[in-house]
Amino acid sequence: EPEVTQTPSHQVTQMGQEVILRCVPISNHLYFYWYRQILGQKVEFLVSFYNNEISEKSEIFDDQFSVERPDGSNFTLKIRSTKLEDSAMYFCASSEQGMNIQYFGAGTRLSVL
Amino acid sequence: KQEVTQIPAALSVPEGENLVLNCSFTDSAIYNLQWFRQDPGKGLTSLLLIQSSQREQTSGRLNASLDKSSGRSTLYIAASQPGDSATYLCAVSSNNAGNMLTFGGGTRLMVKP
Repeated sequence: EPEVTQTPSHQVTQMGQEVILRCVPISNHLYFYWYRQILGQKVEFLVSFYNNEISEKSEIFDDQFSVERPDGSNFTLKIRSTKLEDSAMYFCASSEQGMNIQYFGAGTRLSVL
Repeated sequence: KQEVTQIPAALSVPEGENLVLNCSFTDSAIYNLQWFRQDPGKGLTSLLLIQSSQREQTSGRLNASLDKSSGRSTLYIAASQPGDSATYLCAVSSNNAGNMLTFGGGTRLMVKP
């Protein structure tokens, strides 16, 4: 069964460093998303991406965040200068159409020290 | 702003019991509602999606209902098994918020053998 793949599963970084989280969405899907879940809190929407541009973003998704689809398969989330409060589980998701089921990856646990 | 609430936050039941998990949302102008399962430290697995025009969806021992006008959904699990132990999340896609999902805090279910 097709699945969303995320790498790495765990990323440890120093405060102020840049990190890139990688995702391979399901191959025939057109919509891509990033969410995050701080430990013990709700899953929060960050950004959605369609047709090579951001279609929605939350207030969390400020200038330190960016997304990119560098080739036909990868979808990345970059955090330019990490802060302690960026420590969270980051989930990538994809859907075939905009309002269809969103399929989630296993997540990347980001630990900022 | 859409708010999603799930009660109870935690539930412990003996194996074989039928149970109901509740989800409520403040803005009834939703496009669809999705139920997910999350195992500890893992990603989100989609269980059921109910479109706003539907009243319920069934998959195996799971049945999800939706009462859009009252802002409520329930997930019914029949004949619970220890393997059903996980956190169950509901999430809504709102008409005025594009494709983003707004999540509830989840119900942590423990099914005891």
